[in-house]
Order: sequence, then C-alpha cells, then structure tokens
Amino acid sequence: QSALTQPASVSGSPGQSITISCAGTSSDIGAYNYVSWHQHHPGKAPKVIIYDVTYRSSGISSRFLGSKSGNTASLAISGLQPEDEADYYCSSYRDGSTYVFGTGTTVTVL
Amino acid sequence: EVQLLESGGGLVQRGGSLRLSCAASGFTFINYAMMWVRQAPGRAPEWVSVISGTGTSIYYADSVKGRFTISRDDPRSTLHLQLTGLRVEDTAIYYCAKMASVAARFEHIDFWGRGTLVAVS
Repeated sequence: QSALTQPASVSGSPGQSITISCAGTSSDIGAYNYVSWHQHHPGKAPKVIIYDVTYRSSGISSRFLGSKSGNTASLAISGLQPEDEADYYCSSYRDGSTYVFGTGTTVTVL
Repeated sequence: EVQLLESGGGLVQRGGSLRLSCAASGFTFINYAMMWVRQAPGRAPEWVSVISGTGTSIYYADSVKGRFTISRDDPRSTLHLQLTGLRVEDTAIYYCAKMASVAARFEHIDFWGRGTLVAVS
C-alpha cells in the first residue's frame, strides 16, 4: 500500500505563504474528492484542517486553503505564523475501500 | 466536546496479542463510523481498519488482514482493535479516529485521539 508523496520539509518566514503538495494516483486523489489534510504537533492529537479537498474544519483559519489538480492535492498556508510549525499529512480515499496517507511534511517557521 | 481516549498499548513479544480500546464521548457513538490509524516511528501514518456506524461494513489494510479485528461496543461507546500474530513491523502509535458519518467508505476523519503505543520485540 504505497503512500501519497509529500515533500519532507517546507519552511517560510512569518507572514509568508507556503504550499505543500501531495502526489497520488488515478486510484485515489485523481478519482475522488475525499482528500484531507491533518496538522500534527508532536505529543498532541492530530487535527483535521481540510476535508473533501477544499473544506476547512470548524475553527480553522481561512489562511489554510486546500485544492486539487489531477492526481495532486495541495495545501496553501498564507500569513505563516509560529503556531503553524507542525507536521502536515494529506490523506485520501482509495479504490478498494481503503484509505491512504501522505509521507508527511514538516513545516518550519524561520 | 468530542473525546477519544485510547488504551491497551504496551510491550509485547513477537507473535503475541493485544487488545486496544478507544473510549468515545461527546457524540452519539452509533451514528458514526470509526477508524484505526497507526504511525511507526519516522514513518507515514498508515490506515489500519474502519468500521461503519452500524458495524456491518468493515475493511482492513492488507498488512493486517487476518491478524487484526476491529469491533465496536455501542452501549459502552467503545471501539476495539484486537491485534494477534504481532510482528516487529506492527510497532507504532495506534490512533483511534472518528469519521464524519455512519459510512465506512467515501468519508473522512473529523476527529483524532492521542494514540496508544504498541511495541513488539
């Protein structure tokens, strides 16, 4: 069960914008609009920030924006803030009644 | 407030068994599908299993099929994962997650627990 592909790390200065990519296949991201993004601060419970490609979870800042093109999904974070420093994982529904997660991206606020 | 509290993790020898539990509160348990996800040290999260709100639809990752069993105790609002035939590669933090509807397929997680560590030696 191969994972979705994300860059290992992305960094930016406070106030800047960054984008995290999540590359899948025609069996997952390309086939379904069931892409989610999860934020994980080590030692805490992960939090869902985006679901169904573009929808923000309740209480999530509008600085987080999800999108998809073909087999690749993206998470854009604008106005980067220190509290955005965390690990981010994408996930998607996949053919065969399964789910798949991304390899994870560590976001560093410089 | 939704709360998911996992328990039952620990150190176990190869070939051994464990039963993980996830105590849920803050929502009507029977109305939602539930999922187990695990994350090995330094690795990507891996979906393990999902069960529908009715308990009639159950799916497993190929890596655990035939060894792990997901179940739910609706009167106690508790999700279980029985782990048998444990392998070193099953070592991971196991997270319980609530799905957004009663369906096990074509859905998304909307809430995570904090996880319980399973270590297989």
